[in-house]
Amino acid sequence: AQSVAQPEDQVNVAEGNPLTVKCTYSVSGNPYLFWYVQYPNRGLQFLLKYITGDNLVKGSYGFEAEFNKSQTSFHLKKPSALVSDSALYFCAVRDGSNYQLIWGAGTKLIIKP
Amino acid sequence: GAGVSQSPSNKVTEKGKDVELRCDPISGHTALYWYRQSLGQGLEFLIYFQGNSAPDKSGLPSDRFSAERTGGSVSTLTIQRTQQEDSAVYLCASSPKTGTYNEQFFGPGTRLTVL
Repeated sequence: AQSVAQPEDQVNVAEGNPLTVKCTYSVSGNPYLFWYVQYPNRGLQFLLKYITGDNLVKGSYGFEAEFNKSQTSFHLKKPSALVSDSALYFCAVRDGSNYQLIWGAGTKLIIKP
Repeated sequence: GAGVSQSPSNKVTEKGKDVELRCDPISGHTALYWYRQSLGQGLEFLIYFQGNSAPDKSGLPSDRFSAERTGGSVSTLTIQRTQQEDSAVYLCASSPKTGTYNEQFFGPGTRLTVL
């Protein structure tokens, strides 16, 4: 069965430090992986996706994610965190044969000044 | 262009009443999804529309929930005889086409509170 795990409910990072939000997945076919961000009282916004090609994917707001097939991971990263990055982050996956996205439970990212 | 819009933004209703939630997708998007997000939780898939195909209703939690999409555009999610456990944020998303690599574009959601 397809699944997504975001092992950390919350991640705390000091402003200016690098940040990582973890995501691991399980699908039967080739994975298509997505990251979304949800700011307070707002809808979800697409950040980036991995479909094929380079394992390092760059997205909005300076975020990037690295696809690791052997570890079935797709961790979200940013070299230098901003207070404005504080939000709820969701990882999602689908395989090539299914239109449904399977969503992780979300990770609350808190960036402290 | 305009993004996905949803109305109302907030809805407070009494237990047992029916409610209708509206979603207006991005023009030209053929795929439309409804999700439910409970406080602090992830997204729960409810229903999926793609063009004129029969919708995938596999995520609807009970027969009190139904949805329509008229003319391949606007969609309405109806909850009959609302229960307190229906309280959540209902999110609508649209996507350009069925392609599994297309991201979804989300509306701001409707926050439903059942008293």
